[in-house]
Amino acid sequence: QKEVEQNSGPLSVPEGAIASLNCTYSDRGSQSFFWYRQYSGKSPELIMFIYSNGDKEDGRFTAQLNKASQYVSLLIRDSQPSDSATYLCAVSYSNSGYALNFGKGTSLLVTP
Amino acid sequence: GAVVSQHPSRVICKSGTSVKIECRSLDFQATTMFWYRQFPKQSLMLMATSNEGSKATYEQGVEKDKFLINHASLTLSTLTVTSAHPEDSSFYICSAGSGGGGLAFFGQGTRLTVV
Repeated sequence: QKEVEQNSGPLSVPEGAIASLNCTYSDRGSQSFFWYRQYSGKSPELIMFIYSNGDKEDGRFTAQLNKASQYVSLLIRDSQPSDSATYLCAVSYSNSGYALNFGKGTSLLVTP
Repeated sequence: GAVVSQHPSRVICKSGTSVKIECRSLDFQATTMFWYRQFPKQSLMLMATSNEGSKATYEQGVEKDKFLINHASLTLSTLTVTSAHPEDSSFYICSAGSGGGGLAFFGQGTRLTVV
């Protein structure tokens, strides 16, 4: 069974702080890693994707991947109340094309 | 990013009736599309993979005769929930890939309520 694990939260951070979201996965054959943001009642929105070990930065977002530890994280700098949402970690496997295995998501609350 | 459109966004139907949901890739061709289901407070669960011109591949535990999938063209996949029951009430979301690397884009989702 291929598992993607996330802490459900809620994770509460003050406005302007750094929010750190974590995800672990069980299958070492995993190839691609994604972070999606989902607002209540809405479809997931792609935030970041990462394929290689290390950090990848895009604006206020940084994705970090450590394949040896089977760990991927998302950092949100200068958090804003509009960042309050559920963040879903998703993993794609080499033989599954674009099908994704999702974690249950971490609820983030950014307080003014 | 690529655009995936899903319709309808919300539907309420009576128990025992069938409901069809459409998923379209608007600016790219998708030989494969995916259907997910999300119950409240739960994550997205892959239901099936829709393959253009061939039969869909269903995940374990998903009834293929209840959830009919048709992928008749490179830009359209449909999911029909047959003989819907209240326990089928859920948020159904489709996705399609573009650009390689497993990058998938999601439709807006369909909130199905069976009464």
